[in-house]
Parts: sequence; C-alpha cells; structure tokens
Amino acid sequence: DTEVTQTPKHLVMGMTNKKSLKCEQHMGHRAMYWYKQKAKKPPELMFVYSYEKLSINESVPSRFSPECPNSSLLNLHLHALQPEDSALYLCASSQEDGLSRAETQYFGPGTRLLVL
Amino acid sequence: QKEVEQDPGPLSVPEGAIVSLNCTYSNSAFQYFMWYRQYSRKGPELLMYTYSSGNKEDGRFTAQVDKSSKYISLFIRDSQPSDSATYLCAMSDPGGSNYKLTFGKGTLLTVNP
Repeated sequence: DTEVTQTPKHLVMGMTNKKSLKCEQHMGHRAMYWYKQKAKKPPELMFVYSYEKLSINESVPSRFSPECPNSSLLNLHLHALQPEDSALYLCASSQEDGLSRAETQYFGPGTRLLVL
Repeated sequence: QKEVEQDPGPLSVPEGAIVSLNCTYSNSAFQYFMWYRQYSRKGPELLMYTYSSGNKEDGRFTAQVDKSSKYISLFIRDSQPSDSATYLCAMSDPGGSNYKLTFGKGTLLTVNP
C-alpha cells in the first residue's frame, strides 16, 4: 500500500483564521514532507521531517508551522495567511534507509487551500 | 540556465500514439531520475525512477536516461485518454540533500480518443 492521505481536501479560510492540515501514512516511512504547489508550477519543498524531527525548513514564513506528532502523522498549522498562500498543499513520505531518500517520495492527493 | 528544463507543451496526440516526453539537466551531480504523473487537481503519482543510464520498462512506459548528454525521456506506448495528465520529471543528487527533488516545470499531455 503506497497511500498517503490528507485532510481536508479543500479549505477556505480568512486571513485571521487558524487552521490545520493533516497527513497520514502507514508505509513505515520515517521521512515526511510538506510541499506547496501553485497552478501550472512544480511542487516547492517547504519542510522535511526525519524520524519526527524537523530536518529541513526551506525559509518558510512563520505563519506556517509544521508538527510531526508521531512517525505516521504530519500536521501543518496555518495562521494569519495571505491570499498569495492559496495553493495546493501536498504531503509526501519516503523511506529512511541510509540511501538516497528523494527518489522514493510518495505524494498524497493534496489540500486545496483558498485564503480570502 | 535552469537546472532542469522541460518543455511545458501542451502536447496533444491521438489515442494509440507513441508519446515522447523529455527533460534536460545541467547538474552532473544528479544521479536519480523520476517521472511523476499528475492528474488535474490531484497529487503527483510516482511512475518510474531509475539511477543508471539506459532504459527501464514498466508496461507501456519506458524511462530512458543518457547521463553523458544529460537528457532523460519517458516514452508512452499505445497512449490512452486516461494518460492525459501533466508529467513531471524530477532528479536528485545523493551527494547533496538526500531529501530534495529538483522538478521540471511539467508537460501537459492530452490524448484524444
């Protein structure tokens, strides 16, 4: 089973709201990722967690706050977002076996976020 | 020069055609090469990955890598309307960050019945 699930599928929020995106995988992967994808663009890496610890933060604004409660779950907390943050937010996971992890990334279906 | 160049298309072909999708890259440190398929409003789906020059086949899909020319291709045989999607090439440098993929911009493919 190579499934990564994400909730919600769609989210509309105002600039003063606080919301969270959730991601779950049961493949035993120990690396999990958040990406942002704008229309007609490739995904852009935001954060990487390895063994539940934040490994990479691609200079993402603090209004995005990731959290990895356990090896299967990844959250992205959103607060005071701007309209330009509207995008498809993708979660991915990959193995952590000492080899290159990047090529084994499996993506979820994404959460389509609209900030008004 | 961008690290990965991919013709954005759009590419429109009749059903049954052979499709060729291509990417070129400039970073000789890239050693792993992936192709993702992304349907409209969905997440990318890993189609194939390879790390050596030559061909890798999986059903109707063949991934080809030429490291000497820094050129990769994805061939789709007997294309079907269900193949209509955006195809993204991606690459990684195992000597750099083991987590980072460098994507092409994606090619939008439409297969007409």
